[in-house]
Amino acid sequence: QKEVEQDPGPLSVPEGAIVSLNCTYSNSAFQYFMWYRQYSRKGPELLMYTYSSGNKEDGRFTAQVDKSSKYISLFIRDSQPSDSATYLCAMRYNNNDMRFGAGTRLTVKP
Amino acid sequence: DTGVSQNPRHKITKRGQNVTFRCDPISEHNRLYWYRQTLGQGPEFLTYFQNEAQLEKSRLLSDRFSAERPKGSFSTLEIQRTEQGDSAMYLCASSSGGDTQYFGPGTRLTVL
Repeated sequence: QKEVEQDPGPLSVPEGAIVSLNCTYSNSAFQYFMWYRQYSRKGPELLMYTYSSGNKEDGRFTAQVDKSSKYISLFIRDSQPSDSATYLCAMRYNNNDMRFGAGTRLTVKP
Repeated sequence: DTGVSQNPRHKITKRGQNVTFRCDPISEHNRLYWYRQTLGQGPEFLTYFQNEAQLEKSRLLSDRFSAERPKGSFSTLEIQRTEQGDSAMYLCASSSGGDTQYFGPGTRLTVL
């Protein structure tokens, strides 16, 4: 079993839809949780960073962490075609060894 | 542009050749990381530096892989005797305090 499991997608939604992306993890030692967006043939770009359980909102993006269930989510409201990309969840211990999910490929259709 | 830069962006080599990639981190960042990403997968951590010290290298894929950061600024990743399985995107990231890692555009390696 991988330490970080991510819904594989691909996911296709119409413009304006609410998108839900999810990851589960097996190691309760993970303390920091991130969501990255990666466009084709580009490096990952940090979207959200959270430390504790609960919700964190930034514009159209909301990150949710449930440490008791070992489950994290990213919600995108009013999705736009420019949101079409691969979304990677990532998490790490107190050191710098960051573990990524495999990524979910999202397409938002105009 | 003050982001992380990587060179070259693309490298095509023949099996058995050595290759070296360079990463220039964000100037005030003291931590630098290398990852490998294969198609359809998330980045896989390889190694990281704090200043010039390589603090974690046990996850380098084999002894053919080595990394340096001689002056605590730019870093190089070398792969000796390349194999077709080394074909991947090699990503570099940097951070100032271990929290947020900022990634470069990557170097795409193709081994023929």
